[in-house]
Amino acid sequence: DTGVSQDPRHKITKRGQNVTFRCDPISEHNRLYWYRQTLGQGPEFLTYFQNEAQLEKSRLLSDRFSAERPKGSFSTLEIQRTEQGDSAMYLCASSLGVRGGDYEQYFGPGTRLTVT
Amino acid sequence: AQKITQTQPGMFVQEKEAVTLDCTYDTSDPSYGLFWYKQPSSGEMIFLIYQGSYDQQNATEGRYSLNFQKARKSANLVISASQLGDSAMYFCAMRETPGGATNKLIFGTGTLLAVQP
Repeated sequence: DTGVSQDPRHKITKRGQNVTFRCDPISEHNRLYWYRQTLGQGPEFLTYFQNEAQLEKSRLLSDRFSAERPKGSFSTLEIQRTEQGDSAMYLCASSLGVRGGDYEQYFGPGTRLTVT
Repeated sequence: AQKITQTQPGMFVQEKEAVTLDCTYDTSDPSYGLFWYKQPSSGEMIFLIYQGSYDQQNATEGRYSLNFQKARKSANLVISASQLGDSAMYFCAMRETPGGATNKLIFGTGTLLAVQP
């Protein structure tokens, strides 16, 4: 399978704990995005990497959230001191960015986080 | 600010019939991209079709076509010959500022399509 993969698929954690999610993009894709989707809503943008550089962060990404993409390959999204409001589906997407434009984003299966 | 509006929370269609899912958008940027994604109950977002703001013709991909009416700022998805496997949530999305720094997607709230046998 050469698509975007995410791990874990499901995570249940207690409030106050830290969690980390991993995303492996399609290998030749240089752009990587994280989105968050709550029940009944469309995905909302969290952050974006071009290669290893994090170029934009949404206001949704509080200081409890941190994302990395070392070496421009896989990415991790960490949430510290989780809150119940963090319960959501976290989606990763990748694309092949080209000069002046961007191809469609391909999404992974998501990580569903439940904070109890 | 850019915005996507999907006014149909849910739709029913009989198998083998065509269905249109509505999407309107708002942007002041003359250059933009519009996408439709399908999200089955498994959760993965599946890319269906893309329309660029400067494209002269409506986009088509197999049974999917995009009815792009620029003056009305609408980008409706038409699914022909519906199949039971088409039952899913469908999201319309806009790419912010093609060529800009991010190219993040802005999504609507989605339409839940149920195909009945």
